[in-house]
Amino acid sequence: KQEVTQIPAALSVPEGENLVLNCSFTDSAIYNLQWFRQDPGKGLTSLLLIQSSQREQTSGRLNASLDKSSGRSTLYIAASQPGDSATYLCAVRGFQKLVFGTGTRLLVSP
Amino acid sequence: DTEVTQTPKHLVMGMTNKKSLKCEQHMGHRAMYWYKQKAKKPPELMFVYSYEKLSINESVPSRFSPECPNSSLLNLHLHALQPEDSALYLCASSQGSSSGVAKNIQYFGAGTRLSVL
Repeated sequence: KQEVTQIPAALSVPEGENLVLNCSFTDSAIYNLQWFRQDPGKGLTSLLLIQSSQREQTSGRLNASLDKSSGRSTLYIAASQPGDSATYLCAVRGFQKLVFGTGTRLLVSP
Repeated sequence: DTEVTQTPKHLVMGMTNKKSLKCEQHMGHRAMYWYKQKAKKPPELMFVYSYEKLSINESVPSRFSPECPNSSLLNLHLHALQPEDSALYLCASSQGSSSGVAKNIQYFGAGTRLSVL
């Protein structure tokens, strides 16, 4: 059974810092890995999708990497802003379904 | 347009009520999903429809009944729910393809916040 863990569970940083969120998964037989953002009480916004054959994807200040063999992904956020405050979820796609990680709650203070 | 629209945004119902949640997308996606999310927990898959046929039911109680009337619309019919069913219900969709739906981005709606009294 696929298990996805995210570390840290919560992170508080001052504005402007670069930060890294970590995601690890137990079964490397995945099709892709997706990073999402969720604001309190809201739906999920897809940030980046990395296919299993890819090593990284970039979108603006976000960069996600994937090391399938070691079961790890990182989401790098450059020059963090208060608007980045949200919960970040990684999710791995196996044959049957998307399995979500436990999430990292990020707070960026002005 | 990458929008998945869910209605209603909020729903309060008693344990004897019958209600339905609605999800709509016009991206031409052929896979649609229902997820349940409890507070401070990640979403958990409930159902998957692929090409309008139910392909996955994650052992969901029969008081939840999904329906996919056409490729753009997904419903979740609710009957005789319990207070512990109170949660955020999320709908998602993704492209279908001959190689399967597994490789494609899932786009999520804003969710329906359900409270069962």
